[in-house]
Amino acid sequence: DIVMTQSPDSLAVSLGERAAIDCKSSQSLLYPSDSKNYLAWYQQKPGQSPKLLIYWASTRESGVPDRFSGSGSGTHFTLTISSLQPEDVAIYFCQQYYTIPLTFGQGTRLAIK
Amino acid sequence: EVQLVESGGGLVHPGESLRLSCAGSGFTFGSNNMNWVRQAPGKGLEWISFIDRGSVTTYYADSVRGRFSISRDNTKNSLYLQMNSLGADDSGIYYCVRDPGYCSGDGCYFFDSWGQGVQVTVSS
Repeated sequence: DIVMTQSPDSLAVSLGERAAIDCKSSQSLLYPSDSKNYLAWYQQKPGQSPKLLIYWASTRESGVPDRFSGSGSGTHFTLTISSLQPEDVAIYFCQQYYTIPLTFGQGTRLAIK
Repeated sequence: EVQLVESGGGLVHPGESLRLSCAGSGFTFGSNNMNWVRQAPGKGLEWISFIDRGSVTTYYADSVRGRFSISRDNTKNSLYLQMNSLGADDSGIYYCVRDPGYCSGDGCYFFDSWGQGVQVTVSS
């Protein structure tokens, strides 16, 4: 199984500041035949279901604010929020879909400093 | 608007069974692969099962293989999860989740729509 490891486990950032969450996979998520990275990011606000933010490591889902961006390739990925807003308080998960079983990172809790 | 509504959860004793259902609306249900993902109390997300559009292909996590069975009825816009031999480790919120369906090949394998979840508690 591909193990997904996020860092940090929790993070506190001031409003308007940049937040960055890392996700590392135990094997490469870059598929040679299409040069795509099979990685997605989700946001789970308190008491809600997860919501898709990013797929193919860097493609924003429709309706997601452009302050959210994804980067990285191979085994190392980053979710960046360029200017933290109050509504961004949530737990963020990465997920690999390179192979079955599909696996998630343990989550990173983002709070306001 | 895409909606996924789970039902069938509850409190059961270890070793008992439960059947979850998920009703889809707002999209052509039979056009999308579907999955179940669960979340233990205060924990992260665990993918547990996949079924393709035509019920030809199914996948399971090792933790549930042989005990859980996924199925669907496209005429009823419904997804199901039959859960047998339940244990305490199966407690949590179970989400019905949709594969977007626009990827090439046999699916995307990430999830663009989630239900509100249904609580399953296994306790003596």
